[in-house]
Amino acid sequence: DTGVSQNPRHKITKRGQNVTFRCDPISEHNRLYWYRQTLGQGPEFLTYFQNEAQLEKSRLLSDRFSAERPKGSFSTLEIQRTEQGDSAMYLCASSFARGGEFNSPLHFGNGTRLTVT
Amino acid sequence: DQQVKQNSPSLSVQEGRISILNCDYTNSMFDYFLWYKKYPAEGPTFLISISSIKDKNEDGRFTVFLNKSAKHLSLHIVPSQPGDSAVYFCAATGTYKYIFGTGTRLKVLA
Repeated sequence: DTGVSQNPRHKITKRGQNVTFRCDPISEHNRLYWYRQTLGQGPEFLTYFQNEAQLEKSRLLSDRFSAERPKGSFSTLEIQRTEQGDSAMYLCASSFARGGEFNSPLHFGNGTRLTVT
Repeated sequence: DQQVKQNSPSLSVQEGRISILNCDYTNSMFDYFLWYKKYPAEGPTFLISISSIKDKNEDGRFTVFLNKSAKHLSLHIVPSQPGDSAVYFCAATGTYKYIFGTGTRLKVLA
């Protein structure tokens, strides 16, 4: 049973650099989510895909953030011109649901911890 | 605007006793609720969920109770074990967006 896989696990970058994270969801799942978690907080919603379509993007995501899910499979989250405030754990989750239902659990990967120096 | 609140940041319980974790929500449109457990350096792991058409759901040692009129849910762990020591998050959704609380750190004392 392969769960949600995220790479890299850790990323240290200098302020102003671009970074890209990858998420491989559970293969039969049609929905994919990106969340961000900072110390002492719960996961915060960033964006959501149903198959390859990005259906929602949080206002937390500035125009420096972009996410893609080509062909409805893996997803990438890119942050351009990183800032120290971007330091956080970036979590990917996937789920399977039919139609417009939202009554199935999200299954999370182990996250990518980003440190911007 | 915290739509899902976990007001107890931490809880300590003796091994073998019951652990009760609480969660309150404000949005009456939420109709599906979940509990997750998180160990350090790992992602949240799904534990148990409940639909708003039910008031109780049980899975082994874990039971979730939902009180819609009070907009309150709780997670009961019986009996508590040292391996249950982790941060527990409740979450709620009525649409695509799952909203999480800030977590309660549970410590089960041997």
